[in-house]
Amino acid sequence: EPEVTQTPSHQVTQMGQEVILRCVPISNHLYFYWYRQILGQKVEFLVSFYNNEISEKSEIFDDQFSVERPDGSNFTLKIRSTKLEDSAMYFCASSEIVGTVEQYFGPGTRLTVT
Amino acid sequence: SQKIEQNSEALNIQEGKTATLTCNYTNYSPAYLQWYRQDPGRGPVFLLLIRENEKEKRKERLKVTFDTTLKQSLFHITASQPADSATYLCALDGPGGGADGLTFGKGTHLIIQP
Repeated sequence: EPEVTQTPSHQVTQMGQEVILRCVPISNHLYFYWYRQILGQKVEFLVSFYNNEISEKSEIFDDQFSVERPDGSNFTLKIRSTKLEDSAMYFCASSEIVGTVEQYFGPGTRLTVT
Repeated sequence: SQKIEQNSEALNIQEGKTATLTCNYTNYSPAYLQWYRQDPGRGPVFLLLIRENEKEKRKERLKVTFDTTLKQSLFHITASQPADSATYLCALDGPGGGADGLTFGKGTHLIIQP
């Protein structure tokens, strides 16, 4: 069964450094998403992406964040100048078409900022 | 903004009984309501979606109801098994349809005791 994959599974970085989290969505899906989950907290929406542009973003997704689909398979989240409070699980998700709104999540990348 | 409340942080149920989880929401009239399962350290897994014009949806041992007047959804697991132990998340769609991110509740931690 097709699934969303994410790399790395765990990333440790120092405060102020840049990180890139990578995702490979399900191949025939058109909508891509990033969410984060701080330990013990709820899953929070960051950004959605469709047709090579951002469709919607939350208040969390400020200028520190950017997304890109550099080729036909990868979808990346870049966090510039990381802060301690960026430590969280980051989940990528994808969905198939408009109106089929169930989302399929990857296993997540645990980001630890020290 | 949308607010989602799920009934408790932990729910203990005896194996074989029916587990009932509650999701209440305010400040919004969603077109869909979804339920996801999340295991520790993993991404959410889609279970069921119910639309605003549907009262009830079933899938195997799962049943979801949706009362748009009460702004409430109930999620039932019949003949519960220890393998059903997980955190169950309620999620609402955004106002823009398929491209919007989901708003999640904090989840109910369900423990099925043998």
